[in-house]
Amino acid sequence: SAVISQKPSRDICQRGTSLTIQCQVDSQVTMMFWYRQQPGQSLTLIATANQGSEATYESGFVIDKFPISRPNLTFSTLTVSNMSPEDSSIYLCSVDWGGGDTEAFFGQGTRLTVV
Amino acid sequence: GESVGLHLPTLSVQEGDNSIINCAYSNSASDYFIWYKQESGKGPQFIIDIRSNMDKRQGQRVTVLLNKTVKHLSLQIAATQPGDSAVYFCAENINDYKLSFGAGTTVTVRA
Repeated sequence: SAVISQKPSRDICQRGTSLTIQCQVDSQVTMMFWYRQQPGQSLTLIATANQGSEATYESGFVIDKFPISRPNLTFSTLTVSNMSPEDSSIYLCSVDWGGGDTEAFFGQGTRLTVV
Repeated sequence: GESVGLHLPTLSVQEGDNSIINCAYSNSASDYFIWYKQESGKGPQFIIDIRSNMDKRQGQRVTVLLNKTVKHLSLQIAATQPGDSAVYFCAENINDYKLSFGAGTTVTVRA
C-alpha cells in the first residue's frame, strides 16, 4: 500500500478564516477523495478530486465552501473556507488505485477546530 | 460479545473472547463491502473486504459474513485482543469507487 500524508495533522482556526489541507501520496493513484468526520460520527464523502478538472461534489457540499485542487496524480488539496465552529471535524484524504477492488486507503486525517 | 441492531454504538468484550460486529447496509445494488478499523487519532485502516458474489471471507483472526437477502454484514474477530479496541466501520461501494460508511461501532476490550 502507498503512504498517504496529510498536512497539517491538526489546527485551531479562527472563525471566518480559511484552511488548506494537503494530501500527498508516494505513488500515482487513479482516484482521490475527501471525507469529513464530525465528532463521534461516521465518514461522509465531500467530493471526488479529479485530476485536471473540477472536483465532483456530493449533495450538501459546494465548491465555494470546499474548493479542491488536484494538479497531478499524487497530490490534492482541500480548502475549508469562511470557517465556522460547525466545520470542526476531522478531514480525511482517501485514495484508490482503481482496478477491480475499491480498496480505499486513508491518510491519518486533519483534526480541525474552529473557535 | 456481539453488537445487534442497526448500529449499537458500543461493544464491550472480554479479552480472548470472540467479537461480532454487525452492520446493515442500505443499497441492494452495492457489490463490494469493506470493514475498516479506526484507532484514536488515526485514519481508517482496511481490515477485510468481500464482494457480493460471496457470503463469507476469512482473514487473519477476522471473518466477514454477507447476507444479501437482509442486507446485513458482520465482522467476527477471534480471540479479541487489547489492540482490537477501536471504532469499526462497514462501508459499501455505491458507485464509481465511492464508499458509503455505516455509523460505526466502538469496541472496548476488557482485560
